[in-house]
Amino acid sequence: AQSVTQLGSHVSVSEGALVLLRCNYSSSVPPYLFWYVQYPNQGLQLLLKYTSAATLVKGINGFEAEFKKSETSFHLTKPSAHMSDAAEYFCAVSSGGYQKVTFGIGTKLQVIP
Amino acid sequence: DAGVIQSPRHEVTEMGQEVTLRCKPISGHNSLFWYRQTMMRGLELLIYFNNNVPIDDSGMPEDRFSAKMPNASFSTLKIQPSEPRDSAVYFCASSFGASGSYEQYFGPGTRLTVT
Repeated sequence: AQSVTQLGSHVSVSEGALVLLRCNYSSSVPPYLFWYVQYPNQGLQLLLKYTSAATLVKGINGFEAEFKKSETSFHLTKPSAHMSDAAEYFCAVSSGGYQKVTFGIGTKLQVIP
Repeated sequence: DAGVIQSPRHEVTEMGQEVTLRCKPISGHNSLFWYRQTMMRGLELLIYFNNNVPIDDSGMPEDRFSAKMPNASFSTLKIQPSEPRDSAVYFCASSFGASGSYEQYFGPGTRLTVT
């Protein structure tokens, strides 16, 4: 069984401040982990993914995430928030061989000017 | 590439009517997924196809829902009869490869409203 918990359904940050979106996972086998972003009225698009290579993963738009096995976490960070980062972010986990991915409930990021 | 194409983008229908949602995956991708997104339940996987064969339909809510993939470039999700609780955004996604490490490419979604 696999699951994802995203802490905080809404997060607000000031423009230029650090962005930290939290994700904890549960998986019976070594997982693949993903962060997707959804802009209003659009589908999800991949920000970054962890597939058992480097534990610090860099993605698009300046985002990165660190896989911490001991904490079963995969938090998403960005040093300086931009107005264009306002969107909903989904953490996802896959541990099955046939690509079933379990998505978290999502975190809406608001960036305050 | 044009990405995953879904049609229609918006659908408004009356309770009891049949609704058909369509999806064209990215050329070369061999896996296709149908998801439903609502405020209450978030993103739910309805069904997954690999090489045009349904692999996991455990997320299909009930017999009113059916999905087909007659060839590698086309899939449909049908609701018959539709009910107001089916109102949601339905996403189609595709990916390449048989491993869970592959990313999924999402279409823009179909916003369904059942009155």
